[in-house]
Amino acid sequence: DAGITQSPRHKVTETGTPVTLRCHQTENHRYMYWYRQDPGHGLRLIHYSYGVKDTDKGEVSDGYSVSRSKTEDFLLTLESATSSQTSVYFCAISDRWLGNEQFFGPGTRLTVL
Amino acid sequence: KNEVEQSPQNLTAQEGEFITINCSYSVGISALHWLQQHPGGGIVSLFMLSSGKKKHGRLIATINIQEKHSSLHITASHPRDSAVYICAVRGGSQGNLIFGKGTKLSVKP
Repeated sequence: DAGITQSPRHKVTETGTPVTLRCHQTENHRYMYWYRQDPGHGLRLIHYSYGVKDTDKGEVSDGYSVSRSKTEDFLLTLESATSSQTSVYFCAISDRWLGNEQFFGPGTRLTVL
Repeated sequence: KNEVEQSPQNLTAQEGEFITINCSYSVGISALHWLQQHPGGGIVSLFMLSSGKKKHGRLIATINIQEKHSSLHITASHPRDSAVYICAVRGGSQGNLIFGKGTKLSVKP
């Protein structure tokens, strides 16, 4: 299995609080992605990174920010959590842009009350 | 209309049956991915293809670029194949992945 972990795995928080999710990889892959998965929708890209300090927005980036200060860590921050951000969040990595294989983390289930 | 449509949404099969899951898309693409999401939630990439056919074990993926259609076949299905199978296409201005909603497969012993 690719070395990719997410923390926390589960979190319950209240509306209006900031939340940070962490993705950590040991594969030295250049590209890292944050997706959210919701019932009735396919996975949707929130933000991605193509190198240290290099990030860009995906299709559902409103209300989210990211940071990548080290190759191995990609942080997703919900600046002020809302109930619409209740979701399962997946981190993924690849050695090329959407390369042959993306390796996914185990997911973080976030509930915003 | 969704850019990536999968059919069927749900599929129940008996062990040993040949299974086909379909994916149709409406955008120009450079590649198509098939992924498997286990009941526990983990997601694994199965294939990436841009033409023709690929085979891995009992899994076969085909794509017809002209018809904008791909199929995932599972031969001699087994209960451990029970999962959600997700089609994703690489398209759009940034070349992002656009995901289908998945096909939930249940294989009964």
